[in-house]
Amino acid sequence: GEDVEQSLFLSVREGDSSVINCTYTDSSSTYLYWYKQEPGAGLQLLTYIFSNMDMKQDQRLTVLLNKKDKHLSLRIADTQTGDSAIYFCAESTSGYSTLTFGKGTMLLVSP
Amino acid sequence: DGGITQSPKYLFRKEGQNVTLSCEQNLNHDAMYWYRQDPGQGLRLIYYSQIVNDFQKGDIAEGYSVSREKKESFPLTVTSAQKNPTAFYLCASSLTGERGGYTFGSGTRLTVV
Repeated sequence: GEDVEQSLFLSVREGDSSVINCTYTDSSSTYLYWYKQEPGAGLQLLTYIFSNMDMKQDQRLTVLLNKKDKHLSLRIADTQTGDSAIYFCAESTSGYSTLTFGKGTMLLVSP
Repeated sequence: DGGITQSPKYLFRKEGQNVTLSCEQNLNHDAMYWYRQDPGQGLRLIYYSQIVNDFQKGDIAEGYSVSREKKESFPLTVTSAQKNPTAFYLCASSLTGERGGYTFGSGTRLTVV
């Protein structure tokens, strides 16, 4: 079955770049997503990438996809304390299938 | 404004009781989902529905039940058969076939007392 793996914790200083990594096992994964969850809240969709893309940039966010290694990363430039949250990677094999989520990476940004 | 609303935000249940969590959306989304979140466990799918009057079990459906009588509503009942119901419950919705991912509600924290 599908599996999505993430490191559990990342700590950075304010102003540095953060890189959150994710690996997935399903080679038929077509859509890959990054969500952000602040304490006690729901998940907010940050960005997503289709498997026919290698990179997607959206303001401070850059998503890199290595299909060969089934590796996805989210880079946050100029990380701010407001970026402290849990970040979830998710994948689906089609627009009609349910999303499979990783366990989330807690990002802690210190001043 | 369109969105997805979960209520209540906090819910306390005595052992042996059934409780129902509400989820309503006005996004005109076809599909709705319930997830359970436990610390360090990520999100686990309980039930989902892609059309009115139809729903499917997810990975951890035992001890839960749902209904989908209206497009806008997808309530989740946590039954007394669920042995460890204390968790954070998240509802989400999407357009069927939508590649843009899910819209989530703000969650309900259920505690057994």
